[in-house]
Amino acid sequence: SQTIHQWPATLVQPVGSPLSLECTVEGTSNPNLYWYRQAAGRGLQLLFYSVGIGQISSEVPQNLSASRPQDRQFILSSKKLLLSDSGFYLCAWSPWDRDSGANVLTFGAGSRLTVL
Amino acid sequence: SQQGEEDPQALSIQEGENATMNCSYKTSINNLQWYRQNSGRGLVHLILIRSNEREKHSGRLRVTLDTSKKSSSLLITASRAADTASYFCATDTGTYKYIFGTGTRLKVLA
Repeated sequence: SQTIHQWPATLVQPVGSPLSLECTVEGTSNPNLYWYRQAAGRGLQLLFYSVGIGQISSEVPQNLSASRPQDRQFILSSKKLLLSDSGFYLCAWSPWDRDSGANVLTFGAGSRLTVL
Repeated sequence: SQQGEEDPQALSIQEGENATMNCSYKTSINNLQWYRQNSGRGLVHLILIRSNEREKHSGRLRVTLDTSKKSSSLLITASRAADTASYFCATDTGTYKYIFGTGTRLKVLA
């Protein structure tokens, strides 16, 4: 079966520290992968997406970067966190949904980051 | 802003009533999708409507799409306390990107 894993679930980091969030998808190959950020009580902001290994598209200039070292692995990083990086980070991939006849997003459980 | 807008931002209704939330978007789309998010969780796909469709049903969900107005609505009939969640629309523009609206927080009172 196809599953998406995201970790860590929660982390508290000081300003200026590095960040690494990891996401992996099982049961498929060459998935399109996404990182979104959700500020408290707000909508989702698309940060990065990837349609293949080494192919990363950035949507919003910021303090973050993404990498895809393996086919089913997507990593979100920062060298120095800012207070404004706090939020709920969601990884997703877009499998084909037979009922819809189109690709839809399947999300991980999310990583809640608090920068102090 | 890359985001669409949803209204209302928050909605509180009694169990058994219908809930309607609206979504507006900015660009041409292949399809529009609705997602649900329980507090502190990831989003779950609910229903998709293609750009050439005007209405779609799935169980207690009814979605409409007006591409001339770049808007969509989600109707949840006979709401239940378990429907309490945030609901988001997302547009698929055919460029691998899915752009989300700002969301509607629905609270169904038992």
